[in-house]
Amino acid sequence: GDSVTQMEGPVTLSEEAFLTINCTYTATGYPSLFWYVQYPGEGLQLLLKATKADDKGSNKGFEATYRKETTSFHLEKGSVQVSDSAVYFCALSDLGGSQGNLIFGKGTKLSVKP
Amino acid sequence: EPEVTQTPSHQVTQMGQEVILRCVPISNHLYFYWYRQILGQKVEFLVSFYNNEISEKSEIFDDQFSVERPDGSNFTLKIRSTKLEDSAMYFCASSVRQRGNTIYFGEGSWLTVV
Repeated sequence: GDSVTQMEGPVTLSEEAFLTINCTYTATGYPSLFWYVQYPGEGLQLLLKATKADDKGSNKGFEATYRKETTSFHLEKGSVQVSDSAVYFCALSDLGGSQGNLIFGKGTKLSVKP
Repeated sequence: EPEVTQTPSHQVTQMGQEVILRCVPISNHLYFYWYRQILGQKVEFLVSFYNNEISEKSEIFDDQFSVERPDGSNFTLKIRSTKLEDSAMYFCASSVRQRGNTIYFGEGSWLTVV
């Protein structure tokens, strides 16, 4: 079945460092891909999305490009801030399969130190 | 910006008791969902609901669980005879369409079964 694999955390970075969180997927259909963020004590918030191959989603300085050839959707940010400390979830929604719901990765906890 | 709202934010219940978690989805959305996140684990799909009936459910969503849209705005998750392993954050979510559409989450209801 469909699945999402994220790099294991936790990830600890200094402020202004470059961030990459790897995400790869398997899907039977043509998935849309998402990054959700969960700040401490809060719910899930959509960070960015891409609905087809080569699309780039971006928001708040974060970017991710939908790479069909490598089945990847890696999250990047050029300069992280303390306020980016959160858990980041990669997810897919499969258009071609029977599921319209989201399938999540395990989440990657990011801690940014001043 | 419209948002999904959930109540209660936190509930403590004794094992064996029934719990009802409530949600108000975004008003023009047609698909409603419940997800669950056990502490430290992956966010898991429970059920999706459309046109007053369940459209999909996971293997987690057994006879202990039920969902209902009792009026035009609320969407509820009932957990009968709660068990310790039901302790989790329960997220309600909604979307305009099911396939490939952005799913918006509430802030979650944290259920603790003691």
